[in-house]
Amino acid sequence: DSGVTQTPKHLITATGQRVTLRCSPRSGDLSVYWYQQSLDQGLQFLIHYYNGEERAKGNILERFSAQQFPDLHSELNLSSLELGDSALYFCASSVDLGGLNIQYFGAGTRLSVL
Amino acid sequence: DAKTTQPPSMDCAEGRAANLPCNHSTISGNEYVYWYRQIHSQGPQYIIHGLKNNETNEMASLIITEDRKSSTLILPHATLRDTAVYYCIVRVGLASNTGKLIFGQGTTLQVKP
Repeated sequence: DSGVTQTPKHLITATGQRVTLRCSPRSGDLSVYWYQQSLDQGLQFLIHYYNGEERAKGNILERFSAQQFPDLHSELNLSSLELGDSALYFCASSVDLGGLNIQYFGAGTRLSVL
Repeated sequence: DAKTTQPPSMDCAEGRAANLPCNHSTISGNEYVYWYRQIHSQGPQYIIHGLKNNETNEMASLIITEDRKSSTLILPHATLRDTAVYYCIVRVGLASNTGKLIFGQGTTLQVKP
């Protein structure tokens, strides 16, 4: 158990809908990262938050947004869903924001868009 | 962050050492080598990292060549549970203001009985 909690584990929805994925980082970790893993793209970095502030952005679609709350949990919002958004979404946390910190990953949320 | 090259797949016999190579010929002086693995759609798991010296922990050993252009991850006694995709990632350490990981395709290690 990494200590990172992601909910829900599975999500099935229809095209055009909006969903929210939730991540609770390990106790004491200030950084939260979101990654997307699809069959054709592999593991891709989406966005990094540190203590409530956005620190880095990857190839995150405009239809996707994220935030980190004062209690340090994070949510990834996906809207106007398309079939191609079906993927595994992972959240990871680390103590600090820098590159030397080990990232601990959650078990992921499997999103299926039908 | 420097680009890495890994073989797409490797096999290893159970109980034997698994040696996973990674080429990072464009690595800069302030970049570290990290290894993560992903067991069948689970969240990736940190294994080990190093700058220029060889490193060992309870999971594996990391051997980095003197010119730092390549490295090898060694699992000393591979078990079936080590079957996974192994990712070699190079990234800036302390100077970075983000620890984002850029994953390549990795090496799929199949440990066989």
